Amino acid sequence: GAGVSQSPSNKVTEKGKDVELRCDPISGHTALYWYRQSLGQGLEFLIYFQGNSAPDKSGLPSDRFSAERTGGSVSTLTIQRTQQEDSAVYLCASSLWENTEAFFGQGTRLTVV
Amino acid sequence: AQSVAQPEDQVNVAEGNPLTVKCTYSVSGNPYLFWYVQYPNRGLQFLLKYITGDNLVKGSYGFEAEFNKSQTSFHLKKPSALVSDSALYFCAVRDPGRGNTPLVFGKGTRLSVIA
Repeated sequence: GAGVSQSPSNKVTEKGKDVELRCDPISGHTALYWYRQSLGQGLEFLIYFQGNSAPDKSGLPSDRFSAERTGGSVSTLTIQRTQQEDSAVYLCASSLWENTEAFFGQGTRLTVV
Repeated sequence: AQSVAQPEDQVNVAEGNPLTVKCTYSVSGNPYLFWYVQYPNRGLQFLLKYITGDNLVKGSYGFEAEFNKSQTSFHLKKPSALVSDSALYFCAVRDPGRGNTPLVFGKGTRLSVIA
């Protein structure tokens, strides 16, 4: 595809369940980011992958959150034992290099009930 | 650590008037700076960036921004606002001098252009 693709677009889950969010970056992009955006608010950095370097996990809010990037391409963000405060739009972005702009997916709207 | 501040939560401007959305940053070295726009129920779209070179950069939809190193600012400007410019605007910064660092965003400024 031409852009960053995220799936699912919407996810409703029960409190305590685990969820997986997927991101397909633009082919060839070396950097991949995950952010979280609460309703109408700013972007909260979660995790950053750059090439083969160790990911920057400094933004993950708790050990219930984890992410992988397989083969330098697809990434999965996993939230274990979801809580209501995890409800937000989860955005993925990718960029070719660190000095180029990041392109964002449409996001996954997660609702924990 | 790198950071970016958008001091105004909301900016209101009349259609046809010039607009400015403010952004200041904090990095240890020379920054990479970006502006993004988010329209309602849409994803974030890239507007413009400053990496090096001319301090005045021009971007999409008639927007421009001026990099001011002494004031550590990167304000977004447009000479004549349109109602369709109403959206949420985000400034972002990266500190390339610290190796692999993420793109850090400000809290956003909601721009409302009134007809």
